[in-house]
Amino acid sequence: DVKVTQSSRYLVKRTGEKVFLECVQDMDHENMFWYRQDPGLGLRLIYFSYDVKMKEKGDIPEGYSVSREKKERFSLILESASTNQTSMYLCASSLVAGGNYNEQFFGPGTRLTVL
Amino acid sequence: QKEVEQDPGPLSVPEGAIVSLNCTYSNSAFQYFMWYRQYSRKGPELLMYTYSSGNKEDGRFTAQVDKSSKYISLFIRDSQPSDSATYLCAMSVSSYKLIFGSGTRLLVRP
Repeated sequence: DVKVTQSSRYLVKRTGEKVFLECVQDMDHENMFWYRQDPGLGLRLIYFSYDVKMKEKGDIPEGYSVSREKKERFSLILESASTNQTSMYLCASSLVAGGNYNEQFFGPGTRLTVL
Repeated sequence: QKEVEQDPGPLSVPEGAIVSLNCTYSNSAFQYFMWYRQYSRKGPELLMYTYSSGNKEDGRFTAQVDKSSKYISLFIRDSQPSDSATYLCAMSVSSYKLIFGSGTRLLVRP
């Protein structure tokens, strides 16, 4: 079974703090993704990575950065946390498959609260 | 207008009912149509996917795609309390990007 793990289930931080969210997958997937999930807005893509040290902006990258130094690990960084970054953060991974098939496997999520 | 529209619910049904969950979309380039299920405090997991138009059945679940109407459906027969979850439709535009609906929360009452 594919396993995607995230470093924390719940996190509380203060405005202005630097926040690191870690994600690890164990199935040698090339692609990794960071989403945030908010009520009524669904999942929105923040960043994704298709290879080590490679990254692409998603739909809402402002205020975030990412790092992928190893294939199995993808980190999301909030340089200076703000209250509007309070959300559920979901990491996902996928294989490079043929055509546009894109099955993503998700971690359990990190619920981040910024006070 | 969002690319994918999904009624947020909640949808409350008695055990044993047939459930119909739906999404509409605007981009005719979508090829793969997926349904993810997300239990409370968990990440989404893929339930079913369909390529292009038509039906696909898996046990009590049937996924249906009507590309001419840009409408997809997930039917759940003989619904169980364990089906209570949020159901997200998702559509693939590339090998990297999925567009998700906002999710429909389903509650199956015993």
